[in-house]
Amino acid sequence: ETGVTQTPRHLVMGMTNKKSLKCEQHLGHNAMYWYKQSAKKPLELMFVYSLEERVENNSVPSRFSPECPNSSHLFLHLHTLQPEDSALYLCASSRTTSGRAEQFFGPGTRLTVL
Amino acid sequence: DQQVKQNSPSLSVQEGRISILNCDYTNSMFDYFLWYKKYPAEGPTFLISISSIKDKNEDGRFTVFLNKSAKHLSLHIVPSQPGDSAVYFCAASGGNDMRFGAGTRLTVKP
Repeated sequence: ETGVTQTPRHLVMGMTNKKSLKCEQHLGHNAMYWYKQSAKKPLELMFVYSLEERVENNSVPSRFSPECPNSSHLFLHLHTLQPEDSALYLCASSRTTSGRAEQFFGPGTRLTVL
Repeated sequence: DQQVKQNSPSLSVQEGRISILNCDYTNSMFDYFLWYKKYPAEGPTFLISISSIKDKNEDGRFTVFLNKSAKHLSLHIVPSQPGDSAVYFCAASGGNDMRFGAGTRLTVKP
């Protein structure tokens, strides 16, 4: 596989469930990102990892918990979510965390919280 | 606080004509700007970028113009093709900070 892959592509969960989103990049990049895209809103940056170290956390509620075990994999663990958390969750990677580095995005996970 | 705004949620143009997508930003620290294109069921893909030291960058049918004094940039697509129909996101960065707009859905009619 090439590029950035995300699984699952669709997820429906209840507010009491625990689930995880997975992202994998095959580009040899050092930086990985989680974004949230809600309808008609800008992409919201959630977390940034550089060489497996979290470098940014944009005031994201603790019900979202990221994990980066190595530079190729990124997880987003979800627990006790709210219906307003329903959105498209996008993973991206780039060579560095510089704002000038082109980001490569995965196809996203469409999350619905009931 | 939206630092990058794309005020037109949608735009429809005829095939062969010019498409102009606009983007405004508020933070004067932004010094690099990017456009991404997103098809349904796919992630955004990089299209073109421009540094604040330039006012124009061209790549084939795509040209980005930057007006620093107005904190405004635009993406011109000419001639527009039906395959250009997608959502276009503007992004602005300064250092390690990057902000995206909400996107403009472009529809190119045959």
